[in-house]
Amino acid sequence: NAGVMQNPRHLVRRRGQEARLRCSPMKGHSHVYWYRQLPEEGLKFMVYLQKENIIDESGMPKERFSAEFPKEGPSILRIQQVVRGDSAAYFCASSSYEQYFGPGTRLTVT
Amino acid sequence: GQNIDQPTEMTATEGAIVQINCTYQTSGFNGLFWYQQHAGEAPTFLSYNVLDGLEEKGRFSSFLSRSKGYSYLLLKELQMKDSASYLCAVRSGTGFQKLVFGTGTRLLVSP
Repeated sequence: NAGVMQNPRHLVRRRGQEARLRCSPMKGHSHVYWYRQLPEEGLKFMVYLQKENIIDESGMPKERFSAEFPKEGPSILRIQQVVRGDSAAYFCASSSYEQYFGPGTRLTVT
Repeated sequence: GQNIDQPTEMTATEGAIVQINCTYQTSGFNGLFWYQQHAGEAPTFLSYNVLDGLEEKGRFSSFLSRSKGYSYLLLKELQMKDSASYLCAVRSGTGFQKLVFGTGTRLLVSP
């Protein structure tokens, strides 16, 4: 039973470009959560999705960030027009009851 | 809102016991989680408490007091590989709700 998968593991983007981060939950899990971790800081919740539904997006910045979890395929976190402050590790988790984390995508904006 | 506090850093010696405390303030408490995170890696699940008392799992134990808004993670027979950050997280509400994390406690185990 494969764990939570994320890709890419590392992503480098120039300011103004778009970043797309993908997450495939564990088999049998239909709840996906995205968290962001800035250097030397704790994990901050961004968004919680079920298939085709955004349940809680209270942690998402109002602009440039969006997330989806389509009926088929992985969940995608999209960041448009990236800025240096978006550089962070982005973790996806899926849950039955405990949340299991993927390996993360480390985004570097140059 | 929710507020979670834990010490920033702790040091301990190989073979010793260390207790990492976590205090929280939240409404609709629905579980407290401990995760371990090595530098540059993903958090890995350690323990979950929803009722008062002690949960033991090998060298690791976690305690919860809901009335005090307090938990601790106890690590026994410390090993060098236990050097990591330990994250306390609280869930509130019902069902599959988000976790709110503390900033983590960086534990350094020395020989």
